[in-house]
Amino acid sequence: DAKTTQPPSMDCAEGRAANLPCNHSTISGNEYVYWYRQIHSQGPQYIIHGLKNNETNEMASLIITEDRKSSTLILPHATLRDTAVYYCIVGAGSYQLTFGKGTKLSVIP
Amino acid sequence: DGGITQSPKYLFRKEGQNVTLSCEQNLNHDAMYWYRQDPGQGLRLIYYSQIVNDFQKGDIAEGYSVSREKKESFPLTVTSAQKNPTAFYLCASSSLGQGYTGELFFGEGSRLTVL
Repeated sequence: DAKTTQPPSMDCAEGRAANLPCNHSTISGNEYVYWYRQIHSQGPQYIIHGLKNNETNEMASLIITEDRKSSTLILPHATLRDTAVYYCIVGAGSYQLTFGKGTKLSVIP
Repeated sequence: DGGITQSPKYLFRKEGQNVTLSCEQNLNHDAMYWYRQDPGQGLRLIYYSQIVNDFQKGDIAEGYSVSREKKESFPLTVTSAQKNPTAFYLCASSSLGQGYTGELFFGEGSRLTVL
């Protein structure tokens, strides 16, 4: 069973913020929200994760709704190198992280 | 530099042959994982190991075997029993215990094509 729902694809203009949504309505209290991305034919790269609070690092920001049923990954100033498949995953341990099809983000010049 | 090394990057084999994919990490991570990815699909967990000499089946273990004789190494054998072995194989590792963040570190992958 899919634990998360993401749009299959999105476009974003270069230099603008990319907002990638994710629904995880069945998330359990001990499960984190993780975001990874995969550039074509490479291994996935960790971006950020959170439990309840919003998080920010040098790559992105993660906004989690108060009821924890959805989240948004924000890339503040998208560049062409951000074109990738973005995976939203929920889980309480590394072996529980199920990678679905993700969202294919295309950054347009 | 610390990281995960997978080899070979590309591999071609005839149907019915066993093949072994190598995965080595120098991150001192306790846990290691093997995933399979088919075109346009997500990743599916084949096997994982949280400690030397112990490993567990993931969602699609049939037709695959692993070993964990050293902390740094987690080779995957694709046996002739695997019906559709052509795929992109990804190895990952993570730390465990206190301060564990759940972050997975991935290698660059091995692309297996069975002719």
